[in-house]
Amino acid sequence: EAQVTQNPRYLITVTGKKLTVTCSQNMNHEYMSWYRQDPGLGLRQIYYSMNVEVTDKGDVPEGYKVSRKEKRNFPLILESPSPNQTSLYFCASSPGGYGSPLHFGNGTRLTVT
Amino acid sequence: DQQVKQNSPSLSVQEGRISILNCDYTNSMFDYFLWYKKYPAEGPTFLISISSIKDKNEDGRFTVFLNKSAKHLSLHIVPSQPGDSAVYFCAASPNAGNNRKLIWGLGTSLAVNP
Repeated sequence: EAQVTQNPRYLITVTGKKLTVTCSQNMNHEYMSWYRQDPGLGLRQIYYSMNVEVTDKGDVPEGYKVSRKEKRNFPLILESPSPNQTSLYFCASSPGGYGSPLHFGNGTRLTVT
Repeated sequence: DQQVKQNSPSLSVQEGRISILNCDYTNSMFDYFLWYKKYPAEGPTFLISISSIKDKNEDGRFTVFLNKSAKHLSLHIVPSQPGDSAVYFCAASPNAGNNRKLIWGLGTSLAVNP
């Protein structure tokens, strides 16, 4: 089944404790991206990747890192999480081309206390 | 400031009737528009899209209309079914080079009552 898989689905952590949210897609998509969803702000792009070893900042990259060592994986790294990073996170991928829709994972709900 | 606005947070319709979800945008440089549907505890799933060079796109029960002069698009669902109950997001593509990012509205929660 074609899918984008995020882990974990739920995570509660404390300020400053490094964490990684994994994202994997099995559709051989070149493009991958991370979004966060917050009440009243909607979904906002954090980082994106055009292909292996090619990543760039989205609209809200502060406090996040990403890597793209393999085509299928695009982990989101929070080196020192803070409470303002409490949010619902979505990973997405796309095959490319104009107008190609994004395929989303089921989300990771992160709480930083 | 929201560039994509869905002014109705919720909508309730009877099964079999038409559902009309609306979306307004402010940036005339948007060149592609998409609708996504989201169920609780799941990610958004793509529903239908429309290029800015068109004014209508149809896929089964779903039709999207684009009025560029009014910077307005709408999603019509006919006939509505209880399984259509979900949050619907309007999203726009700003043609940001290679970054296929989307600018999202806040969503409209649709309830289709049997």
